[in-house]
Order: sequence, then C-alpha cells, then structure tokens
Amino acid sequence: DVKVTQSSRYLVKRTGEKVFLECVQDMDHENMFWYRQDPGLGLRLIYFSYDVKMKEKGDIPEGYSVSREKKERFSLILESASTNQTSMYLCASSSSPGLGSLVSEQYFGPGTRLTVT
Amino acid sequence: KQEVTQIPAALSVPEGENLVLNCSFTDSAIYNLQWFRQDPGKGLTSLLLIQSSQREQTSGRLNASLDKSSGRSTLYIAASQPGDSATYLCAVRPITTSGTYKYIFGTGTRLKVLA
Repeated sequence: DVKVTQSSRYLVKRTGEKVFLECVQDMDHENMFWYRQDPGLGLRLIYFSYDVKMKEKGDIPEGYSVSREKKERFSLILESASTNQTSMYLCASSSSPGLGSLVSEQYFGPGTRLTVT
Repeated sequence: KQEVTQIPAALSVPEGENLVLNCSFTDSAIYNLQWFRQDPGKGLTSLLLIQSSQREQTSGRLNASLDKSSGRSTLYIAASQPGDSATYLCAVRPITTSGTYKYIFGTGTRLKVLA
C-alpha cells in the first residue's frame, strides 16, 4: 500500500513565524503536491514537484515556498505565517508512468490542520 | 480553463437507499477522473480511478461511470450504510501540452446516511 505521511496532524503557530510542513511518501513516486483545503473553496494547489529539486507553482503559491532535496520528501514552507494561512494542508503523491500516460493516481496524506494566531 | 462541479453540495438519505453522486467538468480533454472519500478532519482516500477510455469502474458497492463527451461522471453507492457518511470529491487530470500530472478538484458532496 502507498503510504503518504505528514509530520504533524495539528499545528499552532504565531503570526510571523517560519513554518515547515513535511511530507514523506514510500512508493518512489516522482510527483508530489501540496494543497490547502478551505470550506467552500475546495482543494487548491499551492506547489507541486515532478522530480528532485524541480518545482512548479500551483494556483496559490504566494506566501509559500517548497523544497524537494530527496525524492521521498517534499516540504512546504510558510516564510512568515499569517492568519489567512490558517487551513488544512494536504500532501499527495503520484507516479509518472510516462508523458501522456492515462494512469496517474493520486494518494493523499492525513493532512495537517494549521492554526496561525 | 477546466472547472469541476459537484451537485448537490450536501445530501441526506436513509440507510439502505441506493444513491448517485454527480460530477461535471467543462473540458472533455482529460486523461482520467478519480473519486475520493474524505472523513471529517482527515485526508483523502482514493475510491476509484477511471481512465478516459473507460466507461465505468466498480469496487464493491461502488460504481463510477464516465461520459467524457458530455463532461459527466457519477458515483453510484448501493445499499448505503451509516459508515458511508463522508464527503465525496471527484477530480480530473486534464490533458495539457506539457503532460502535467496535476488534478483539478470539485468542492465535494457531503453525504449523511441516517440509521
């Protein structure tokens, strides 16, 4: 079974703090994703990575950065946390069977509920 | 731009009822569509993945269909149980020139099955 783990289930941070959220997958997947989920807005893609040290901005990258130094680990960094970054953060991974391939199933971690006060 | 819509946003049914959840998408150029379940405060669990060339997929009491030309997918749940109560999300992987592996998500249908 694919396993995606996230470093914390719940996190409380103060405004202005630098926050690190970590995600690890054990299936040798090339692709990893960070989403945030807010009521009424659904899942929104923050960043994704399709290889080690490679990253692309998603729909809402402002205020976030990412790091992927090893294939299995993808970190989301909030440079200076703000209250509007209070949210549920979800990490996902998927394989890359080949460009144009039909099958690339996403697997999700349990989520981190971040509260910024 | 691909958009994914799920209607209704919430649904309550009595136990034992067969039910259908709907997902529509605006651009039929997709590689595949995936259905997920999410329990409150938890991550997403993959239920079914349908490739663009397929019409349906089945797993136990779940059956997902895909009509790419009309931009619709349905998730059929047979003989619903209280344990099926959760939010159900669908997501499409659009075909792009870059061959990206990104997904576009709907906002989900919150299902409550009453005992």
